[in-house]
Amino acid sequence: EVQLVESGGGLVQPGGSLRLSCAASGFTFSSYEMNWVRQAPGKGLEWVSYISSSGSTIYYADSVKGRFTISRDNAKNSLYLQMNSLRAEDTAVYYCARVTIAYEKGPLYYMDVWGKGTTVTVSS
Amino acid sequence: DIQMTQSPSSLSASVGDRVTITCRASQSISSYLNWYQQKPGKAPKLLIYAASSLQSGVPSRFSGSGSGTDFTLTISSLQPEDFATYYCQQSYSTLLFTFGPGTKVDIK
Repeated sequence: EVQLVESGGGLVQPGGSLRLSCAASGFTFSSYEMNWVRQAPGKGLEWVSYISSSGSTIYYADSVKGRFTISRDNAKNSLYLQMNSLRAEDTAVYYCARVTIAYEKGPLYYMDVWGKGTTVTVSS
Repeated sequence: DIQMTQSPSSLSASVGDRVTITCRASQSISSYLNWYQQKPGKAPKLLIYAASSLQSGVPSRFSGSGSGTDFTLTISSLQPEDFATYYCQQSYSTLLFTFGPGTKVDIK
């Protein structure tokens, strides 16, 4: 079964740090790009960060640039998000999502497998 | 940056109704448009990619159309399990996987 399982969320004070993990199984993790997407309470979806299959290409949303670092360990089938200098507005459920590329469509990128999410609360 | 808008922001419908949700991009994105469904407390689920391609396992009552700046998601006959929030997402710019604000579909 194709599966993504996030962990590492919790309560942290403003200015603190947290490291999220995403364990992949059921597919060849090293062949896929990956995303982190978050959802603040009662709000919509916000893309956070992207990493290519090899880890050589990385993008961030402006809202987290300079504070968050995405990485992956293909030998461990794992994706990570190091979050520093956390703010109250970073409070959200964080999802990892597999990115599939439809080369015949452009190429077009879409997120076809999602984890259940891990909750991050930034509060004093 | 490409901005995405959706209309309506919410709608009430009955089982069996035909439902149409619109998504608009601030600039042309060709067919680089995906649709997701999210139920409360659950992760999003991919419904449609490339504007009109149905993801495997998704019921055929879901369809997508459009290109350029204007797109639609149609549910031909609303079922009880379809009450959810629907998001469009552009992938024209891989620097920003921008989502629309969402459309909540609830029971009339």
